[in-house]
Amino acid sequence: AQSVTQLGSHVSVSEGALVLLRCNYSSSVPPYLFWYVQYPNQGLQLLLKYTSAATLVKGINGFEAEFKKSETSFHLTKPSAHMSDAAEYFCAVTNSGGYQKVTFGIGTKLQVIP
Amino acid sequence: DTAVSQTPKYLVTQMGNDKSIKCEQNLGHDTMYWYKQDSKKFLKIMFSYNNKELIINETVPNRFSPKSPDKAHLNLHINSLELGDSAVYFCATGTSGASTDTQYFGPGTRLTVL
Repeated sequence: AQSVTQLGSHVSVSEGALVLLRCNYSSSVPPYLFWYVQYPNQGLQLLLKYTSAATLVKGINGFEAEFKKSETSFHLTKPSAHMSDAAEYFCAVTNSGGYQKVTFGIGTKLQVIP
Repeated sequence: DTAVSQTPKYLVTQMGNDKSIKCEQNLGHDTMYWYKQDSKKFLKIMFSYNNKELIINETVPNRFSPKSPDKAHLNLHINSLELGDSAVYFCATGTSGASTDTQYFGPGTRLTVL
């Protein structure tokens, strides 16, 4: 069974500082990994995804993530936090065959301090 | 035009009642999902339909019954509502149901059972 673990349910950064949200995965087969963002009172939207092509994946709003098989990690980063980045971020993993079944992490709430 | 819409946005009801939530998509996607997000923001898949056929049916009480009248609609009917059903319910779509699909989420329906 596949799963993801997000370290830190709450992360606070100052505006302009580096954003680092951690995600580790567990999967018996090569995984497909996703980061979704949820703004208050909205549905989730995709930030980026890893589907076994390039290990460094660039997404929307200046975010990127690097797939590291040796560390079973897929951490999300952004060089400079903006106030509009304040949201809940979900790491997710899916099965590599058959119909998609997504398993989400518990989420990390990002607070950006002015 | 809203890609994935849900009605109603808010639903407040008494225990024991029966209620429905509707989802409509205009993306032309083959796959539709229902997720439940609890008060701690944990997101769990409930059902998945591909071309009106039930694909995923997680361990969900049989009081929950999804129905897909056509590819653009997936409704969720809940019988005999319980306090524990209070949550935000999200509808989502995927292009084909493939593991690499991006999922597109609706705005959510906040269900409160009193």
